[in-house]
Amino acid sequence: AQKITQTQPGMFVQEKEAVTLDCTYDTSDPSYGLFWYKQPSSGEMIFLIYQGSYDQQNATEGRYSLNFQKARKSANLVISASQLGDSAMYFCAMREGQGRETSGSRLTFGEGTQLTVNP
Amino acid sequence: SAVISQKPSRDICQRGTSLTIQCQVDSQVTMMFWYRQQPGQSLTLIATANQGSEATYESGFVIDKFPISRPNLTFSTLTVSNMSPEDSSIYLCSVGDRGLPDTQYFGPGTRLTVL
Repeated sequence: AQKITQTQPGMFVQEKEAVTLDCTYDTSDPSYGLFWYKQPSSGEMIFLIYQGSYDQQNATEGRYSLNFQKARKSANLVISASQLGDSAMYFCAMREGQGRETSGSRLTFGEGTQLTVNP
Repeated sequence: SAVISQKPSRDICQRGTSLTIQCQVDSQVTMMFWYRQQPGQSLTLIATANQGSEATYESGFVIDKFPISRPNLTFSTLTVSNMSPEDSSIYLCSVGDRGLPDTQYFGPGTRLTVL
């Protein structure tokens, strides 16, 4: 069974600094995908970044990067140059399998990390 | 990316009544999912909405309580039936598409409060 663990219920960071949000996972499937979402107080889930288990390089999307350490089963999100608008809940999620045949598979979510960016 | 809308965005309902939530996507998508997020908690999958057949429900969720329709590839509804205060949650529609295997997008959510 899949399991996602986010051990930081809350994190604080100063504006313009970088912050790392931790995520570890457990799966017996060698093929899987890892997602990060941002959820502001409005409740919407905003897709940030994706990493496939066979991807050779760490994923990056603008100020977001994913520190993927496969042997340690970790997929930490790094936010560089934090902004006040980054204050939100962040969820790590996993989907078993990759590619077209698995795009219909469920996502398993971690418990989330509440990030607060201080001015 | 797919643009997803949900109606209503929020509602306050009385115990024992039912509410139907609509999810509309701006393009045809293969898979549509319904998630629930109870206050202060993470997301839990309710069911997968299948076009042309019955929805596939996760353990702990039943069709009588959460009937789902998927009449075409761009639209789905979730009904929360015979509501109780424990049903107060954010309900989120999500879509996946074989044309975009590395993504899964969510609608803006429906914030439901049951009194």
